[in-house]
Amino acid sequence: AQSVTQLGSHVSVSEGALVLLRCNYSSSVPPYLFWYVQYPNQGLQLLLKYTTGATLVKGINGFEAEFKKSETSFHLTKPSAHMSDAAEYFCSVSDYQGGKLIFGQGTELSVKP
Amino acid sequence: DTEVTQTPKHLVMGMTNKKSLKCEQHMGHRAMYWYKQKAKKPPELMFVYSYEKLSINESVPSRFSPECPNSSLLNLHLHALQPEDSALYLCASSRDSYTGELFFGEGSRLTVL
Repeated sequence: AQSVTQLGSHVSVSEGALVLLRCNYSSSVPPYLFWYVQYPNQGLQLLLKYTTGATLVKGINGFEAEFKKSETSFHLTKPSAHMSDAAEYFCSVSDYQGGKLIFGQGTELSVKP
Repeated sequence: DTEVTQTPKHLVMGMTNKKSLKCEQHMGHRAMYWYKQKAKKPPELMFVYSYEKLSINESVPSRFSPECPNSSLLNLHLHALQPEDSALYLCASSRDSYTGELFFGEGSRLTVL
């Protein structure tokens, strides 16, 4: 069965600093991996996805993530944090069973001025 | 049109009331979902409709009753809810029920008194 672990329930960075949000997954089959972002009082928005092909995927708002099969990781990065990046970030894996997405527990990103 | 629209945005109801949440998408997606989200937690899958047929029910209590009148609409009928059912209810859609790339609405915040 698939599972997702996000390391760190809360990450705080200064504006302009590197953002690194960690995600490790467990999957018995080649995974489809996703990062979603949720701003306060809103729904979730897809940041980026990995299905097949290039292991470095670029998403919206300057975020990118690298699929590392050997480390079973899919960490999210952004070179320079902006105040508007403050939000909850969820890593997820598709379990191929008719639409079930397995979500991690989420990481709250705070950005200090 | 890349939006999933949910109404109402806020709903307060008593334990004996009957109410409904509505969701609409016009992206031609054939899978639609209901999720429940408590504060500071990841979304929990409740139901999946694929091609207008209920394909997944995650053992949700019968006081929640989903309905998919057509491929664009999804309803969640609520009856005899409990205070612990208070949460953000998110609707999502996807091209099919296998890719995991979900488009979420902004949610309906439900308070049960």
